[in-house]
Amino acid sequence: GAGVSQTPSNKVTEKGKYVELRCDPISGHTALYWYRQSLGQGPEFLIYFQGTGAADDSGLPNDRFFAVRPEGSVSTLKIQRTERGDSAVYLCASSLGTGVNSPLHFGNGTRLTVT
Amino acid sequence: AQSVTQLDSHVSVSEGTPVLLRCNYSSSYSPSLFWYVQHPNKGLQLLLKYTSAATLVKGINGFEAEFKKSETSFHLTKPSAHMSDAAEYFCVVSDPGSSASKIIFGSGTRLSIRP
Repeated sequence: GAGVSQTPSNKVTEKGKYVELRCDPISGHTALYWYRQSLGQGPEFLIYFQGTGAADDSGLPNDRFFAVRPEGSVSTLKIQRTERGDSAVYLCASSLGTGVNSPLHFGNGTRLTVT
Repeated sequence: AQSVTQLDSHVSVSEGTPVLLRCNYSSSYSPSLFWYVQHPNKGLQLLLKYTSAATLVKGINGFEAEFKKSETSFHLTKPSAHMSDAAEYFCVVSDPGSSASKIIFGSGTRLSIRP
């Protein structure tokens, strides 16, 4: 079946602009995660959804970052007033179970470059 | 608090020789441990996971890892490297029952395979 789909695969934007990154999880997966991966680093947790609600958003770095999942499926990560330091690969993952020990299925990521 | 340390940022082996990627963890509880692999421009893929069952865990593509509580280690091994194994490998720790933000990724080990 289809895996986790992220669009766009690449996004270049100017400093100060607003961007939206989309994640289409595996059908039936109730849990959805956003991670950020900087060059040479492992993924860092941003936010976790269980269904439509953000169960844990403690990883969002500041209030410029926001994510929604209005119908419990597709999620959008929104970044306002982008800064050069926001440049990274943004990864989305979904899982079938509700526990953190359910394996995460990752998309290929969106590479965001802020110029 | 949990943490995970991947002791080598880069490992290079010859094709057909054994692979050893080292991972040490710190956890207050009996953790769950995972290894993920990331090929260039691809999403992370689960290789194997340990969740307090057998300490020797077999994964996909001939990889396996052994949980050693006394050494707080979860090293990844493969008897014979293949060219297709060249990728970035991440060790991951989580505490059962903890929130999603407590899934911690290591900084990664890049595996190169020499012909």
